Amino acid sequence: AQSVTQLDSHVSVSEGTPVLLRCNYSSSYSPSLFWYVQHPNKGLQLLLKYTSAATLVKGINGFEAEFKKSETSFHLTKPSAHMSDAAEYFCVVSERSSASKIIFGSGTRLSIRP
Amino acid sequence: GAVVSQHPSWVICKSGTSVKIECRSLDFQATTMFWYRQFPKQSLMLMATSNEGSKATYEQGVEKDKFLINHASLTLSTLTVTSAHPEDSSFYICSASVPGLAGTGELFFGEGSRLTVL
Repeated sequence: AQSVTQLDSHVSVSEGTPVLLRCNYSSSYSPSLFWYVQHPNKGLQLLLKYTSAATLVKGINGFEAEFKKSETSFHLTKPSAHMSDAAEYFCVVSERSSASKIIFGSGTRLSIRP
Repeated sequence: GAVVSQHPSWVICKSGTSVKIECRSLDFQATTMFWYRQFPKQSLMLMATSNEGSKATYEQGVEKDKFLINHASLTLSTLTVTSAHPEDSSFYICSASVPGLAGTGELFFGEGSRLTVL
């Protein structure tokens, strides 16, 4: 069975400071991991994905995440927050099999203080 | 990249009426589409998996007679909320997997549809 846990429901940082959104997963098989961003009343946009290649994954808008198998983590980071980063972020896990099931985390709301 | 278009973005209807939401894959053929419901400040809840040319697979607790899903072509899936009531008010989102990427689990999402039932 697979699951995903986003440890923080809300993160608030000042503009220009680093962002860390935490995600832990469990999976019986080799997982694919994703981070999506959702702005208010919008669909989800893919930020980045891990699918068994490089463990450090770079995404759009300066975000990156590192797949750490030993820690079963896939934390999302950004060196310097921008006001436009304020949104809801979802960590998603999928088992790479023919009958893959996709599990969404509960979401982390990122607020940016001026 | 793959584009999924959802329409309408906003819809307001009277209690007892039916509402149809469309989800289209614009530049690829989507054999599988997914429908989600999202309550305020919550994650996405998978309602059903829509497969082209066959009946949708509904998640436990989702009323198939209430939420009718049709996937008649490789680029269009529709969700019809029948006899809508205020408790059906929600944000509905569709997504699709791209052939070739389906095994990775990567999804492409529509913009969502905000349904308000008066």
